[in-house]
Amino acid sequence: KAGVTQTPRYLIKTRGQQVTLSCSPISGHRSVSWYQQTPGQGLQFLFEYFSETQRNKGNFPGRFSGRQFSNSRSEMNVSTLELGDSALYLCASTTAPTGAAEKLFFGSGTQLSVL
Amino acid sequence: SQKIEQNSEALNIQEGKTATLTCNYTNYSPAYLQWYRQDPGRGPVFLLLIRENEKEKRKERLKVTFDTTLKQSLFHITASQPADSATYLCALGDNDMRFGAGTRLTVKP
Repeated sequence: KAGVTQTPRYLIKTRGQQVTLSCSPISGHRSVSWYQQTPGQGLQFLFEYFSETQRNKGNFPGRFSGRQFSNSRSEMNVSTLELGDSALYLCASTTAPTGAAEKLFFGSGTQLSVL
Repeated sequence: SQKIEQNSEALNIQEGKTATLTCNYTNYSPAYLQWYRQDPGRGPVFLLLIRENEKEKRKERLKVTFDTTLKQSLFHITASQPADSATYLCALGDNDMRFGAGTRLTVKP
């Protein structure tokens, strides 16, 4: 069974641009969560999608958005990029919403650098 | 505000010793707690889950405790090996999953 796939692996953008990151969950998984990881802050929860609906959202500005498609693939978008958005963006999938206490399966992440 | 604190940013121990990592939380009532391992350049990998009504869980050389009164979890690796060197993250789960910043463990031969 293929793992969680995130594309692209690396991305370099400039301030003010927008970016779209993609996540393909493990086959059969319907929940996808997104996290931002920085050295100082650790993993910060962005949002979770289940069956194309956003279940939860973390404390991030509206520039961060996401969506999930009928095949459970998910994308997140960051508009008007700022230097502080430079981070490793991780997505994780599981079969049920996180309230069901299942383990998360993570992708290797997209390393975003904003110049 | 809700906080998850992993007390040590870095922990260095000698091979063969027991590593003990701490996860404290405030303003949370998690239904369960998980521990993950993360290697450089990779996503976290699940290790153990413990529920609020469980005191202790073991898996091979790993042991985790969960004290909802103290609002603390302890994660132990016994007979540590250099291959155990990694960052360990605790995560609290309820309606969603929130992570601590992690403890970077180095096991020296």
